[in-house]
Amino acid sequence: DADVTQTPRNRITKTGKRIMLECSQTKGHDRMYWYRQDPGLGLRLIYYSFDVKDINKGEISDGYSVSRQAQAKFSLSLESAIPNQTALYFCATSDFGTGEDTQYFGPGTRLTVL
Amino acid sequence: AQKVTQAQTEISVVEKEDVTLDCVYETRDTTYYLFWYKQPPSGELVFLIRRNSFDEQNEISGRYSWNFQKSTSSFNFTITASQVVDSAVYFCALSAFNQAGTALIFGKGTTLSVSS
Repeated sequence: DADVTQTPRNRITKTGKRIMLECSQTKGHDRMYWYRQDPGLGLRLIYYSFDVKDINKGEISDGYSVSRQAQAKFSLSLESAIPNQTALYFCATSDFGTGEDTQYFGPGTRLTVL
Repeated sequence: AQKVTQAQTEISVVEKEDVTLDCVYETRDTTYYLFWYKQPPSGELVFLIRRNSFDEQNEISGRYSWNFQKSTSSFNFTITASQVVDSAVYFCALSAFNQAGTALIFGKGTTLSVSS
């Protein structure tokens, strides 16, 4: 089984709808991240969480919110989706406690907002 | 400001050719980490290597090798005897220690196409 899972893998929605993307991990890592990937732009950080009680905004947090329900679960919400939020979304985890802090990514969620 | 530049947007080679992907970074921090990730056509991001700023030794892993030069702020990636399965988008990324590893700053990626 994959260490970092994302659901759904693909989603098509309409402008104005509320969408939640979910991320779960079995790696036991304390840190979790949400990125979006747009063609030609690489990956950009939306939100990150160092633990359940510590959530921080990233480079492009406007229009998004997150919830860290447990150490293993980190959800990303689009309260009112708009077409320019069409992108590939990645969740990532890392283990700062080991000193390595390498980020490992989930398989991605392809979101299309019509 | 921290920045990662991958100047090569796309590279096309024929199988068995060697290819080098360039990565230049900018940071004022003395402690930082550099990474390479591979994104095959299936879309997932695969971790390839992590290098800290105090370790300038080059690394070789099979057909892959990495050349880290602090003097030129570069962390280049070479694939020897390329194969079709190497076709992917490759991302270089930077993480700065004094940001407590808050996030990776990615380059825009280099798309490598290997034809048979």
